[in-house]
Amino acid sequence: DTAVSQTPKYLVTQMGNDKSIKCEQNLGHDTMYWYKQDSKKFLKIMFSYNNKELIINETVPNRFSPKSPDKAHLNLHINSLELGDSAVYFCASSWDREGQQYFGPGTRLTVT
Amino acid sequence: GIQVEQSPPDLILQEGANSTLRCNFSDSVNNLQWFHQNPWGQLINLFYIPSGTKQNGRLSATTVATERYSLLYISSSQTTDSGVYFCAVAGNNRKLIWGLGTSLAVNP
Repeated sequence: DTAVSQTPKYLVTQMGNDKSIKCEQNLGHDTMYWYKQDSKKFLKIMFSYNNKELIINETVPNRFSPKSPDKAHLNLHINSLELGDSAVYFCASSWDREGQQYFGPGTRLTVT
Repeated sequence: GIQVEQSPPDLILQEGANSTLRCNFSDSVNNLQWFHQNPWGQLINLFYIPSGTKQNGRLSATTVATERYSLLYISSSQTTDSGVYFCAVAGNNRKLIWGLGTSLAVNP
């Protein structure tokens, strides 16, 4: 059983398009996260939800919008994609806001 | 905000060797985690260790919160230990701040 899953694993798209990445966790965790890993492998938090409530919203372009339909799911929608959005996006979850975080396999987004 | 420094940035070992990775942080933290990113990109949580010492097989970690550092020990290294090791910390704002990682290559 996959604990934290993401779809798709790879996403290649053109500038200006809109795309979504989906994340699901079956661990029963209350808190979920989106991270971005750039080409130099630097990881930075983007968003976090606790029980469907947005609790962390870092300075990211408002073209990025997270949505948590329930506490097991956290999706990321990106409008008007730009070249600089190319990166690996990771979803993660934890029991609570301070707990050990478990990561999904990542979604490699390439914008051409 | 909190600064996280990891050392060394790169490390090459022969299989069977031991190593110590270090993570320094600039302010008090209430959350510290060590992760391994394997060559296929998967991020695995190794330890949640805001203070004290933990062991898991050949890996162990120690955090001395009062002196603002944490150490990750790898004993009898194996080729499967290759990858990047990240330290991430959080203070009261609960946002994990990540170090730049230590890239480890274990040669057979």
